[in-house]
Amino acid sequence: NAGVTQTPKFQVLKTGQSMTLQCAQDMNHNSMYWYRQDPGMGLRLIYYSASEGTTDKGEVPNGYNVSRLNKREFSLRLESAAPSQTSVYFCASKLSGGVGLFFGSGTQLSVL
Amino acid sequence: KQEVTQIPAALSVPEGENLVLNCSFTDSAIYNLQWFRQDPGKGLTSLLLIQSSQREQTSGRLNASLDKSSGRSTLYIAASQPGDSATYLCAVRRDTGNQFYFGTGTSLTVIP
Repeated sequence: NAGVTQTPKFQVLKTGQSMTLQCAQDMNHNSMYWYRQDPGMGLRLIYYSASEGTTDKGEVPNGYNVSRLNKREFSLRLESAAPSQTSVYFCASKLSGGVGLFFGSGTQLSVL
Repeated sequence: KQEVTQIPAALSVPEGENLVLNCSFTDSAIYNLQWFRQDPGKGLTSLLLIQSSQREQTSGRLNASLDKSSGRSTLYIAASQPGDSATYLCAVRRDTGNQFYFGTGTSLTVIP
């Protein structure tokens, strides 16, 4: 029973490099989310996808792109990484309706 | 925009003590409120979810209450144990849309 799986767990990039964070859930959830967590700032929503084929911007979307590849997978891409994007990134998912969020274990990203 | 505040930011208590963690939110038009636990370097684990129509939820030694009109929720932990040491976060879902708003968390240390 994997739940929400994120890869990689750790990544170090140089400024200007690109990378994609992967997220997959096996709970048949409709909605998926990408958050970043920074000290003293809590979790902030980057993008979310209410259902397959739809994506919407959250609070801090600049510098990121997302793809809802299918119902299971939701990827986050950094096209040209900047030091300000050093953070811990979390993927989450939920069913439709009044249920809560389920989180992956996170990706710690450092941009030098 | 929904603002979610958790005070205090850190709390240290001796083992066996009962304690209350606070979460306040600015917009009472919420769909539900969820409490999470986060261990260092880990993802978020859901503890309790309270629907907007409910007043409280209980799970083992945990009890969460919700007062929508005053914009407050509390998480009560009975007979605290060193294993309860973690950061506790609350998240509020608005009554429209799929976005969740997080507090910055309370870091709890239970001293043996």
